[in-house]
Amino acid sequence: GQSLEQPSEVTAVEGAIVQINCTYQTSGFYGLSWYQQHDGGAPTFLSYNALDGLEETGRFSSFLSRSDSYGYLLLQELQMKDSASYFCAVGGTYKYIFGTGTRLKVLA
Amino acid sequence: EPEVTQTPSHQVTQMGQEVILRCVPISNHLYFYWYRQILGQKVEFLVSFYNNEISEKSEIFDDQFSVERPDGSNFTLKIRSTKLEDSAMYFCASSPSGGRGELFFGEGSRLTVL
Repeated sequence: GQSLEQPSEVTAVEGAIVQINCTYQTSGFYGLSWYQQHDGGAPTFLSYNALDGLEETGRFSSFLSRSDSYGYLLLQELQMKDSASYFCAVGGTYKYIFGTGTRLKVLA
Repeated sequence: EPEVTQTPSHQVTQMGQEVILRCVPISNHLYFYWYRQILGQKVEFLVSFYNNEISEKSEIFDDQFSVERPDGSNFTLKIRSTKLEDSAMYFCASSPSGGRGELFFGEGSRLTVL
């Protein structure tokens, strides 16, 4: 089977840097994705890592270590609008499984 | 910007009734998915659809569920006999290539079963 574990909640202040971790167990691995979901909204795609290393997209970066079955999402220069839930997801083409989700609270 | 659209945004139904949730994926996308999310919980995979047939389905997607692409644009999820535990937000998603982990989600259909 497949499982992805994330911390349930993370709190940080505006302007800070926060890291959201994801550990996964999967029978077949193609890549690790990250999604953001605001309350009442749809998940929106943030990033994807197929290979080990760091991918940077503006204030957001995502890291993958396939040997450790581990990845993280790094959010820099936190803004109030970053308060949301963040999900990691693994899969390939026909099926993507989402993690348990991390609720990020950004404080002023 | 192209987007996935879903209707209805909210449906209330009685237990045992049939519901159909509709989705219009982004026009040049080839892979389609249904997910559900019970309030406050994670996004759960239901089924994927490619080339006019089911590609993968989860254990949640039992005989009471079915999907269809009746024409070139719509993608529907039917629940034949709803149960209380089917109450959830149902998200449709599409992807141009299936790879690269990038799914485009609709705004969801909230189903409430009474």
